[in-house]
Amino acid sequence: DAGVTQSPTHLIKTRGQHVTLRCSPISGHKSVSWYQQVLGQGPQFIFQYYEKEERGRGNFPDRFSARQFPNYSSELNVNALLLGDSALYLCASRGARAYGYTFGSGTRLTVV
Amino acid sequence: GIQVEQSPPDLILQEGANSTLRCNFSDSVNNLQWFHQNPWGQLINLFYIPSGTKQNGRLSATTVATERYSLLYISSSQTTDSGVYFCAVGASGAGSYQLTFGKGTKLSVIP
Repeated sequence: DAGVTQSPTHLIKTRGQHVTLRCSPISGHKSVSWYQQVLGQGPQFIFQYYEKEERGRGNFPDRFSARQFPNYSSELNVNALLLGDSALYLCASRGARAYGYTFGSGTRLTVV
Repeated sequence: GIQVEQSPPDLILQEGANSTLRCNFSDSVNNLQWFHQNPWGQLINLFYIPSGTKQNGRLSATTVATERYSLLYISSSQTTDSGVYFCAVGASGAGSYQLTFGKGTKLSVIP
């Protein structure tokens, strides 16, 4: 089985632009979460979706939004990019009987 | 929200040495995971251990939930063990859907 897959792996954007990051969970996993990791810090929780509904949101501005599709894949959208949005964005999935979360390899976003 | 503290922040070991990493958390948890982040950013799940003791090869972990700490043991360290080790917890009750991460322990194993 494939693990959690994220695309793209790397991305460079200009301040003020919009970006969409994508995540496909492990087959059968209905829960998808997004995390932001800036250099030198631990990952910070952004969103969790379960069965296409938002179940939790971290302390991030409204420029950040997400959605989950019927096939349980997910998109994270960030509008009006700031230099401070430069980070590694990680997606994680969890199944109903899975013990713990499995993370993807991440998307490294650089805002210039 | 729940607080997670990891120690030590940095650790340098000679290959073959043993080490213990500690994670303290401030509230009851229903999820605790140890991760190893490699230089490419991939978070590798080492243990799901909200309580008890588990072992996997040279690695083992113990969580004492009543005293709100967890320990990760690395024996006979190898250079491939280098990287950052994170402890992440899910608080019991409201907000249990999210993981709160510590700041990590950066381990460097030198030949």
